[in-house]
Amino acid sequence: AQKITQTQPGMFVQEKEAVTLDCTYDTSDPSYGLFWYKQPSSGEMIFLIYQGSYDQQNATEGRYSLNFQKARKSANLVISASQLGDSAMYFCAMRRIYNQGGKLIFGQGTELSVKP
Amino acid sequence: DAGVIQSPRHEVTEMGQEVTLRCKPISGHDYLFWYRQTMMRGLELLIYFNNNVPIDDSGMPEDRFSAKMPNASFSTLKIQPSEPRDSAVYFCASRSGNSPLHFGNGTRLTVT
Repeated sequence: AQKITQTQPGMFVQEKEAVTLDCTYDTSDPSYGLFWYKQPSSGEMIFLIYQGSYDQQNATEGRYSLNFQKARKSANLVISASQLGDSAMYFCAMRRIYNQGGKLIFGQGTELSVKP
Repeated sequence: DAGVIQSPRHEVTEMGQEVTLRCKPISGHDYLFWYRQTMMRGLELLIYFNNNVPIDDSGMPEDRFSAKMPNASFSTLKIQPSEPRDSAVYFCASRSGNSPLHFGNGTRLTVT
């Protein structure tokens, strides 16, 4: 069975500083993908970044990067130069990749608050 | 690309009434998912379809819930009869192959 754990219910960061949101996972599948989504107070789910289990390099998308440590089964999201608009819930998610199937399983989320 | 379209955005109904939530996936996407989000249980997958065929409905809470996908551009999630504990935000999401999941804006359901 797959499991995603986000141990930080809430985080605070000062504007313009970097912040790391933790995510650990458990799976027996050899091929899987890890995803991060942002949910602002308006409620929509916004895809941020993806990391494949066989990707050699850590994924980056603008100010977002994923610190992927396969042996430790962690996939932490790093947001650089935080902005007020980054205040939101952040969800880590995982699914198996082979055969294109697989359901996306989510962690409980981390609420990030950016202070001016 | 209009994105995943859900309707209604908000639904308030009385216990015992039938509720139907609607979803139009992104054109060309062959996977469609229904999720439910509550404070207590987070984001739960209810059911998903591939090429209009239900693949996994193990997350459907009970027989009061049913979902259909009569064609590639439309899906419904029905609750009959509704109960107060069904109050939640229901998301529809779609993807193509191994692409990331794209979510609709959700339907906030309140059952009184």
